[in-house]
Amino acid sequence: GDSVTQMEGPVTLSEEAFLTINCTYTATGYPSLFWYVQYPGEGLQLLLKATKADDKGSNKGFEATYRKETTSFHLEKGSVQVSDSAVYFCALTGGFKTIFGAGTRLFVKA
Amino acid sequence: DAGVIQSPRHEVTEMGQEVTLRCKPISGHNSLFWYRQTMMRGLELLIYFNNNVPIDDSGMPEDRFSAKMPNASFSTLKIQPSEPRDSAVYFCASSLISSSESSYEQYFGPGTRLTVT
Repeated sequence: GDSVTQMEGPVTLSEEAFLTINCTYTATGYPSLFWYVQYPGEGLQLLLKATKADDKGSNKGFEATYRKETTSFHLEKGSVQVSDSAVYFCALTGGFKTIFGAGTRLFVKA
Repeated sequence: DAGVIQSPRHEVTEMGQEVTLRCKPISGHNSLFWYRQTMMRGLELLIYFNNNVPIDDSGMPEDRFSAKMPNASFSTLKIQPSEPRDSAVYFCASSLISSSESSYEQYFGPGTRLTVT
């Protein structure tokens, strides 16, 4: 079945450092890919998405490119802030279901 | 729009008691999902509804759990009897899914933190 694998955390960075969180997927067909973010005490919210191969999703300085050849959707940000501290979930949709990765916790130090 | 509304936000109950969690999805959405989140098991899909009909309840852990969606604007998740291992944050999410579109976003509520002592 469909699955999503993302790098284990926690990831700890200093403010203004470069961020990469790896995500790979297994799916039949052509899923859409997402990154969701969960801030402390809140539900998940959509960060960005890409619906087809080579699409780049971007939002709030974050970006991710749908790579069909490597079945990947890595999340990147050039300069993280303390306010980016959260848990990040990679996900794909196929049919009615959304398959979520395990989540990667990010800590950003001032 | 107020977003997905869940109540209560926090629930503390004793083992053996019945617990009912409530969810109001975003108006116009046709799909509703219940999730459970714990440190050990992460985010687990319990059940989802499409047009008020349960489509897949394979994630419901056991018969103590039941969910209903009597209309498009309300759903409940009930645990009877509750056990300490049910302690978790329970999220409701809604979405508008069409047969011709696969890139649907899920909108999550703030969650209900359940503690069973």
